[in-house]
Amino acid sequence: DQQVKQNSPSLSVQEGRISILNCDYTNSMFDYFLWYKKYPAEGPTFLISISSIKDKNEDGRFTVFLNKSAKHLSLHIVPSQPGDSAVYFCAAWTSGTYKYIFGTGTRLKVLA
Amino acid sequence: KAGVTQTPRYLIKTRGQQVTLSCSPISGHRSVSWYQQTPGQGLQFLFEYFSETQRNKGNFPGRFSGRQFSNSRSEMNVSTLELGDSALYLCASSLGGTSNEQFFGPGTRLTVL
Repeated sequence: DQQVKQNSPSLSVQEGRISILNCDYTNSMFDYFLWYKKYPAEGPTFLISISSIKDKNEDGRFTVFLNKSAKHLSLHIVPSQPGDSAVYFCAAWTSGTYKYIFGTGTRLKVLA
Repeated sequence: KAGVTQTPRYLIKTRGQQVTLSCSPISGHRSVSWYQQTPGQGLQFLFEYFSETQRNKGNFPGRFSGRQFSNSRSEMNVSTLELGDSALYLCASSLGGTSNEQFFGPGTRLTVL
């Protein structure tokens, strides 16, 4: 049972344009949602998170939007840069479970 | 501050053998989680330890086990290796209280022949 889903395995975007990565979830008990970026041969690195009581969180070029009624979150990267090319994972966390549920990842390629 | 370190970085084993992977968390972090990453499956949660106690476990067979030491370092053991155990094994540490941000190590690439 995949509680967190990233239905797009890959995405290509031109440099300078907006990248939108999507994530759907099924468990309404999740308290926090996080986005991680992963380069080859490295572990994932934390990008940005959002609490379930918020609908938007922004950090520089990165903004995460949460639509609780649709059980959907998205990561917007504006403007996209070639260095953003990586695999992006969304993850969800429920207080007290000490367990993160990750999606399968979306490979973003930013074309120069 | 040193990051999360994992040893070894690469490992080749044959079916039926066992393997032990090691993880040293960021200084001061008391929570260590382990994940298995395979192509198309994302990161699958194995288990989480805090102060030497396992607080949660994922849906993996009993061949997968772990432990945490008093200095917060953690080991993961896989016995009777199968071909399907070939994967990248990632360790992540966090403060473990209300903080939910995990810091990942570079992973151990295990290949089972």
